[in-house]
Amino acid sequence: AQTVTQSQPEMSVQEAETVTLSCTYDTSESNYYLFWYKQPPSRQMILVIRQEAYKQQNATENRFSVNFQKAAKSFSLKISDSQLGDTAMYFCAFREGYDMRFGAGTRLTVKP
Amino acid sequence: EPEVTQTPSHQVTQMGQEVILRCVPISNHLYFYWYRQILGQKVEFLVSFYNNEISEKSEIFDDQFSVERPDGSNFTLKIRSTKLEDSAMYFCASSTAGQSPYNEQFFGPGTRLTVL
Repeated sequence: AQTVTQSQPEMSVQEAETVTLSCTYDTSESNYYLFWYKQPPSRQMILVIRQEAYKQQNATENRFSVNFQKAAKSFSLKISDSQLGDTAMYFCAFREGYDMRFGAGTRLTVKP
Repeated sequence: EPEVTQTPSHQVTQMGQEVILRCVPISNHLYFYWYRQILGQKVEFLVSFYNNEISEKSEIFDDQFSVERPDGSNFTLKIRSTKLEDSAMYFCASSTAGQSPYNEQFFGPGTRLTVL
């Protein structure tokens, strides 16, 4: 069974600084998909960034980028120039078929 | 911008009662999902639904659970006889047509179910 581990339950960062959230996963599959979702307080989850396992190039979306290390089964999220609106729970997720497996989440607080 | 909506936002029920959680997916989406998140725990997949049938379900989705698309817009999750451990936030999600798991899933705001 695929498992997703986020080892940092909480993190904080100063506004405008860079922060990296870690995620590791376990799978025997060679082709799969990885996602980072953001869940602001009392709001729904939204997709931040996604990565296909067969693509070696790391995905980038504006201030968000990933460091995908397939051999190490690691998929970290880097947030550059952190903004107050980035304060949220961040979930790493793995998907091979129809279902999505989520990590436990990292609560990120951006401090002014 | 189109959104997934869910009603009610909070449902309180007595143990043993049946509850129906409702979702309206984004109108041109064809794949639908339910997830749950027990307080303080991770989001867990329950079921996926396509073409009026279940595509995949997790071990959590036992005989107490059922899903239905009763009309062209709603997607429901029914829990037949609720247990205390069913208390959780339930999220509905939908995605566009296509077999690729790469398709983005759009999540609703969730229904908080409290079983007393």
